[in-house]
Amino acid sequence: GENVGLHLPTLSVQEGDNSIINCAYSNSASDYFIWYKQESGKGPQFIIDIRSNMDKRQGQRVTVLLNKTVKHLSLQIAATQPGDSAVYFCAETVNFGNEKLTFGTGTRLTIIP
Amino acid sequence: DAMVIQNPRYQVTQFGKPVTLSCSQTLNHNVMYWYQQKSSQAPKLLFHYYDKDFNNEADTPDNFQSRRPNTSFCFLDIRSPGLGDAAMYLCATSRRTGYADTQYFGPGTRLTVL
Repeated sequence: GENVGLHLPTLSVQEGDNSIINCAYSNSASDYFIWYKQESGKGPQFIIDIRSNMDKRQGQRVTVLLNKTVKHLSLQIAATQPGDSAVYFCAETVNFGNEKLTFGTGTRLTIIP
Repeated sequence: DAMVIQNPRYQVTQFGKPVTLSCSQTLNHNVMYWYQQKSSQAPKLLFHYYDKDFNNEADTPDNFQSRRPNTSFCFLDIRSPGLGDAAMYLCATSRRTGYADTQYFGPGTRLTVL
């Protein structure tokens, strides 16, 4: 079946460095993608989203890149801070009335002080 | 300001004893979702309401039911919890404008089954 997966289940990054979290998806019909951050014991928190008519979108310290050709999504976090330590999930869905999000496996990001 | 509120944050129940989890929202969103999330796994959608229309996922066990008495509130009822139902239960909402819309999650209720 369709799935959204991540290449790396864990990632450790030195504080202040940049981090990149990757996500592969297989549903070519997906046209809306979201990155969520989930801290321990909390619900997922929206970070940034991107629609398929875009290749790149920037937020505060975060950038999402979308490569539809190879069905790849990435989240770049600049100048990482200890508070960035969390599990990051990508999620995908199809436009026009399909409310169902399909989540990827998740990547645990640990920021090393 | 809390937008999606879940109560209680922690719930302990006994095997087979019915339990109800609560979700409320101040966003006036049309859609409310319930997810189950087990340790180190991605959230798994159980069902969702679009206004009063209930949409069940095909693989959601009959043991899980839901009610949405009004726009603001949605409940998850587990009729006979088993040990395998111990998990974090997440409520989320979205506007549903005709386009896929961002889902906003509550803090979750962690369910323990003894």
